[in-house]
Amino acid sequence: EVQLVESGGGLVQPGRSLRLSCAASGFTFDDYAMHWVRQAPGKGLEWVSGISWNSGSIGYADSVKGRFTISRDNAKNSLYLQMNSLRAEDTALYYCAKDSASSIAIQSFFDYWGQGTLVTVSS
Amino acid sequence: SYELTQPPSVSVSPGQTARITCSGDALPKQYAYWYQQKPGQAPVLVIYKDSERPSGIPERFSGSSSGTTVTLTISGVQAEDEADYYCQSADSSDVVFGGGTKLTVL
Repeated sequence: EVQLVESGGGLVQPGRSLRLSCAASGFTFDDYAMHWVRQAPGKGLEWVSGISWNSGSIGYADSVKGRFTISRDNAKNSLYLQMNSLRAEDTALYYCAKDSASSIAIQSFFDYWGQGTLVTVSS
Repeated sequence: SYELTQPPSVSVSPGQTARITCSGDALPKQYAYWYQQKPGQAPVLVIYKDSERPSGIPERFSGSSSGTTVTLTISGVQAEDEADYYCQSADSSDVVFGGGTKLTVL
Protein backbone atom coordinates (compact mmCIF):
# COMPACT_ATOMS: atom_id res chain seq x y z
CA GLU A 1 0.00 0.00 0.00
CA VAL A 2 1.36 3.40 -0.99
CA GLN A 3 1.79 5.70 1.98
CA LEU A 4 2.96 9.31 2.00
CA VAL A 5 3.35 10.92 5.41
CA GLU A 6 4.14 14.61 5.65
CA SER A 7 5.67 16.32 8.67
CA GLY A 8 7.35 19.56 9.66
CA GLY A 9 4.45 21.97 9.51
CA GLY A 10 3.64 24.46 12.22
CA LEU A 11 3.27 28.11 13.14
CA VAL A 12 6.07 30.36 11.89
CA GLN A 13 6.57 34.10 11.75
CA PRO A 14 6.71 35.95 8.43
CA GLY A 15 10.21 36.00 6.99
CA ARG A 16 11.28 32.83 8.79
CA SER A 17 12.01 29.37 7.40
CA LEU A 18 10.50 25.90 7.68
CA ARG A 19 11.43 22.51 6.25
CA LEU A 20 8.76 19.99 5.33
CA SER A 21 9.41 16.28 4.96
CA CYS A 22 7.48 13.47 3.30
CA ALA A 23 8.20 9.83 4.13
CA ALA A 24 7.21 7.45 1.34
CA SER A 25 6.55 3.72 1.48
CA GLY A 26 4.77 1.01 -0.44
CA PHE A 27 6.38 1.71 -3.81
CA THR A 28 9.84 2.03 -5.36
CA PHE A 29 10.47 5.65 -4.43
CA ASP A 30 13.35 6.28 -6.82
CA ASP A 31 11.25 5.21 -9.81
CA TYR A 32 8.93 8.20 -9.57
CA ALA A 33 8.86 11.96 -9.64
CA MET A 34 7.37 13.65 -6.59
CA HIS A 35 5.57 16.92 -5.96
CA TRP A 36 4.31 19.33 -3.33
CA VAL A 37 0.80 20.73 -3.73
CA ARG A 38 -0.76 23.16 -1.27
CA GLN A 39 -4.26 24.25 -0.33
CA ALA A 40 -4.94 27.47 1.53
CA PRO A 41 -7.79 27.31 4.06
CA GLY A 42 -11.09 27.13 2.20
CA LYS A 43 -9.37 27.49 -1.17
CA GLY A 44 -8.41 25.30 -4.12
CA LEU A 45 -5.35 23.27 -4.96
CA GLU A 46 -2.10 24.92 -6.05
CA TRP A 47 0.93 23.06 -7.40
CA VAL A 48 4.07 24.22 -5.60
CA SER A 49 7.00 22.20 -6.89
CA GLY A 50 8.05 18.93 -8.49
CA ILE A 51 11.26 16.89 -8.73
CA SER A 52 12.18 14.06 -11.08
CA TRP A 53 13.29 10.62 -9.89
CA ASN A 54 16.98 11.50 -9.93
CA SER A 55 16.64 15.19 -9.01
CA GLY A 56 17.78 16.05 -12.52
CA SER A 57 14.68 18.07 -13.31
CA ILE A 58 12.98 20.46 -10.89
CA GLY A 59 10.13 22.91 -11.29
CA TYR A 60 8.52 25.60 -9.15
CA ALA A 61 5.39 27.68 -9.26
CA ASP A 62 6.10 31.35 -9.86
CA SER A 63 4.64 32.15 -6.43
CA VAL A 64 7.46 30.29 -4.62
CA LYS A 65 10.36 30.50 -7.08
CA GLY A 66 13.50 31.78 -5.39
CA ARG A 67 12.13 31.12 -1.88
CA PHE A 68 11.37 27.39 -1.81
CA THR A 69 13.71 24.50 -2.59
CA ILE A 70 12.57 20.95 -3.25
CA SER A 71 14.89 17.99 -2.75
CA ARG A 72 14.78 14.24 -2.25
CA ASP A 73 16.86 11.51 -0.66
CA ASN A 74 16.20 8.25 -2.47
CA ALA A 75 18.22 6.28 0.09
CA LYS A 76 15.78 7.47 2.77
CA ASN A 77 12.63 7.34 0.62
CA SER A 78 12.04 10.96 1.54
CA LEU A 79 10.97 14.20 -0.13
CA TYR A 80 11.66 17.64 1.31
CA LEU A 81 10.58 21.24 0.87
CA GLN A 82 12.76 23.99 2.30
CA MET A 83 10.66 27.12 2.63
CA ASN A 84 12.44 30.43 3.22
CA SER A 85 11.19 34.01 3.49
CA LEU A 86 7.73 32.77 4.37
CA ARG A 87 4.75 35.05 3.81
CA ALA A 88 1.22 35.07 5.15
CA GLU A 89 0.00 33.90 1.76
CA ASP A 90 2.04 30.70 2.13
CA THR A 91 -0.36 29.59 4.88
CA ALA A 92 -1.80 26.31 3.64
CA LEU A 93 -2.05 22.57 4.01
CA TYR A 94 0.93 21.15 2.13
CA TYR A 95 0.43 17.80 0.42
CA CYS A 96 3.12 15.45 -0.81
CA ALA A 97 2.00 13.78 -4.04
CA LYS A 98 3.42 10.94 -6.12
CA ASP A 99 3.71 11.38 -9.88
CA SER A 100 2.67 8.57 -12.19
CA ALA A 101 5.98 8.82 -14.06
CA SER A 102 9.67 9.24 -13.35
CA SER A 103 10.08 12.71 -14.77
CA ILE A 104 8.26 15.96 -14.20
CA ALA A 105 6.73 16.67 -17.53
CA ILE A 106 3.89 18.41 -19.15
CA GLN A 107 1.85 15.27 -18.50
CA SER A 108 2.56 15.08 -14.76
CA PHE A 109 -0.35 14.00 -12.64
CA PHE A 110 -0.73 12.75 -9.10
CA ASP A 111 -1.87 9.21 -8.39
CA TYR A 112 -1.30 9.20 -4.63
CA TRP A 113 -1.45 11.95 -2.02
CA GLY A 114 -0.50 12.22 1.62
CA GLN A 115 -2.80 13.70 4.25
CA GLY A 116 -0.90 16.98 4.39
CA THR A 117 0.93 19.08 6.96
CA LEU A 118 -0.37 22.50 7.95
CA VAL A 119 1.85 25.56 7.66
CA THR A 120 0.64 28.76 9.29
CA VAL A 121 2.58 31.97 8.71
CA SER A 122 1.60 34.61 11.22
CA SER A 123 3.15 37.00 13.70
CA SER B 1 -0.37 32.50 -16.72
CA TYR B 2 -2.43 29.54 -17.87
CA GLU B 3 -5.88 29.08 -16.34
CA LEU B 4 -8.44 26.32 -16.14
CA THR B 5 -12.03 27.45 -15.57
CA GLN B 6 -14.62 25.39 -13.69
CA PRO B 7 -18.13 26.30 -12.51
CA PRO B 8 -18.10 26.96 -8.75
CA SER B 9 -20.99 24.64 -8.08
CA VAL B 10 -23.17 21.92 -9.58
CA SER B 11 -26.24 20.41 -7.94
CA VAL B 12 -28.03 17.19 -8.84
CA SER B 13 -30.52 14.83 -7.27
CA PRO B 14 -29.53 11.26 -6.41
CA GLY B 15 -29.64 8.97 -9.43
CA GLN B 16 -29.26 11.81 -11.91
CA THR B 17 -26.23 12.61 -14.05
CA ALA B 18 -23.78 15.31 -13.00
CA ARG B 19 -21.56 17.01 -15.54
CA ILE B 20 -18.67 19.20 -14.45
CA THR B 21 -16.80 21.17 -17.10
CA CYS B 22 -13.29 22.53 -17.24
CA SER B 23 -12.15 24.97 -19.92
CA GLY B 24 -8.66 25.94 -20.98
CA ASP B 25 -6.92 27.04 -24.15
CA ALA B 26 -4.29 24.28 -23.99
CA LEU B 27 -6.74 21.44 -23.45
CA PRO B 28 -6.87 20.47 -27.14
CA LYS B 29 -3.12 19.73 -26.87
CA GLN B 30 -2.77 18.51 -23.29
CA TYR B 31 -4.47 15.83 -21.25
CA ALA B 32 -6.73 16.68 -18.34
CA TYR B 33 -6.99 14.93 -15.01
CA TRP B 34 -9.75 15.00 -12.38
CA TYR B 35 -9.54 14.74 -8.59
CA GLN B 36 -12.26 14.28 -6.00
CA GLN B 37 -11.77 15.84 -2.57
CA LYS B 38 -14.14 15.20 0.30
CA PRO B 39 -14.11 17.46 3.39
CA GLY B 40 -11.05 16.89 5.56
CA GLN B 41 -9.54 14.40 3.13
CA ALA B 42 -6.76 14.43 0.57
CA PRO B 43 -7.65 14.56 -3.13
CA VAL B 44 -8.19 11.29 -4.99
CA LEU B 45 -7.52 10.81 -8.70
CA VAL B 46 -10.73 9.77 -10.47
CA ILE B 47 -9.89 10.33 -14.16
CA TYR B 48 -6.56 10.57 -15.98
CA LYS B 49 -5.59 11.31 -19.58
CA ASP B 50 -9.03 12.84 -20.25
CA SER B 51 -11.05 9.64 -19.97
CA GLU B 52 -9.10 6.84 -18.28
CA ARG B 53 -10.37 5.57 -14.93
CA PRO B 54 -7.91 4.37 -12.26
CA SER B 55 -8.52 1.00 -10.70
CA GLY B 56 -10.95 1.19 -7.81
CA ILE B 57 -12.86 4.16 -9.19
CA PRO B 58 -16.53 3.30 -9.86
CA GLU B 59 -17.66 2.99 -13.47
CA ARG B 60 -20.15 5.82 -12.98
CA PHE B 61 -17.21 8.24 -13.26
CA SER B 62 -16.21 9.05 -16.83
CA GLY B 63 -14.38 11.79 -18.67
CA SER B 64 -14.50 13.29 -22.13
CA SER B 65 -12.85 16.02 -24.14
CA SER B 66 -14.02 18.33 -26.88
CA GLY B 67 -11.93 21.24 -28.06
CA THR B 68 -11.04 23.56 -25.20
CA THR B 69 -13.41 21.86 -22.75
CA VAL B 70 -13.15 18.63 -20.80
CA THR B 71 -16.05 17.15 -18.88
CA LEU B 72 -16.28 14.90 -15.85
CA THR B 73 -19.54 12.96 -15.91
CA ILE B 74 -20.93 11.11 -12.91
CA SER B 75 -23.82 8.86 -13.89
CA GLY B 76 -26.33 7.76 -11.28
CA VAL B 77 -24.97 10.16 -8.67
CA GLN B 78 -24.90 8.85 -5.13
CA ALA B 79 -24.85 10.80 -1.87
CA GLU B 80 -21.23 9.73 -1.34
CA ASP B 81 -20.23 11.59 -4.51
CA GLU B 82 -20.82 14.94 -2.82
CA ALA B 83 -17.37 16.56 -2.86
CA ASP B 84 -15.16 19.15 -4.48
CA TYR B 85 -13.85 18.22 -7.91
CA TYR B 86 -10.71 19.70 -9.46
CA CYS B 87 -9.45 19.44 -13.02
CA GLN B 88 -5.70 19.60 -13.67
CA SER B 89 -3.59 20.02 -16.76
CA ALA B 90 -0.38 21.71 -17.82
CA ASP B 91 0.99 24.38 -20.06
CA SER B 92 4.70 24.42 -20.90
CA SER B 93 6.34 23.63 -17.57
CA ASP B 94 3.52 24.59 -15.24
CA VAL B 95 1.07 22.22 -13.58
CA VAL B 96 -2.27 23.98 -13.26
CA PHE B 97 -5.45 23.20 -11.33
CA GLY B 98 -8.91 24.53 -11.99
CA GLY B 99 -10.59 26.48 -9.21
CA GLY B 100 -12.73 23.52 -8.20
CA THR B 101 -16.42 22.65 -8.42
CA LYS B 102 -18.52 21.80 -5.40
CA LEU B 103 -20.92 18.99 -6.27
CA THR B 104 -24.01 19.01 -4.09
CA VAL B 105 -26.29 15.98 -4.04
CA LEU B 106 -29.74 17.31 -3.21
